Amino acid sequence: EPEVTQTPSHQVTQMGQEVILRCVPISNHLYFYWYRQILGQKVEFLVSFYNNEISEKSEIFDDQFSVERPDGSNFTLKIRSTKLEDSAMYFCASRPFADTQYFGPGTRLTVL
Amino acid sequence: SQQGEEDPQALSIQEGENATMNCSYKTSINNLQWYRQNSGRGLVHLILIRSNEREKHSGRLRVTLDTSKKSSSLLITASRAADTASYFCATDARRGAQKLVFGQGTRLTINP
Repeated sequence: EPEVTQTPSHQVTQMGQEVILRCVPISNHLYFYWYRQILGQKVEFLVSFYNNEISEKSEIFDDQFSVERPDGSNFTLKIRSTKLEDSAMYFCASRPFADTQYFGPGTRLTVL
Repeated sequence: SQQGEEDPQALSIQEGENATMNCSYKTSINNLQWYRQNSGRGLVHLILIRSNEREKHSGRLRVTLDTSKKSSSLLITASRAADTASYFCATDARRGAQKLVFGQGTRLTINP
């Protein structure tokens, strides 16, 4: 069964460094998402992406964040200058025209 | 803003018993989804129920939705040790890009 994949599974970085989290959504899906979950807290929506542009973003998704779909398969989340509070599990999700969102296994980002 | 809240926050039962988790939300929804998360892992989609549906079944799972009370319940029958996980409800308010709003989750422990 097709799955959303994410790399790396764990990323450790120094505060102020740039990180790129990578996702390969399920092929033929149309909508792509990033969510994050700070340890012990709710899963929070960051951004949705459709037809090669951002369709909605949360207030968390400030100028430090960007998303890109550089080719037909990858979907990336870039954090330009990481902060301690960016430490979290980041989930990518995708969905076809129907409503169910399928999540990847997540990337645990640790900012030191 | 809409918000899913699960109840109880933690539930511990014996293997073979039924587990019921509840979710409440605040605004009108398009659909409601339930996800499972094993410790530190990704989100696994369990079931989606639309706003015009009242009950849905999938294997040992039964989901109900009461839009007049803005609440949903997830029943897991004949629980197994492998059902130990956190369970989240997630709502979306509109068609289109459909960001999901997650609750805090219920931590379910099945004791052998």
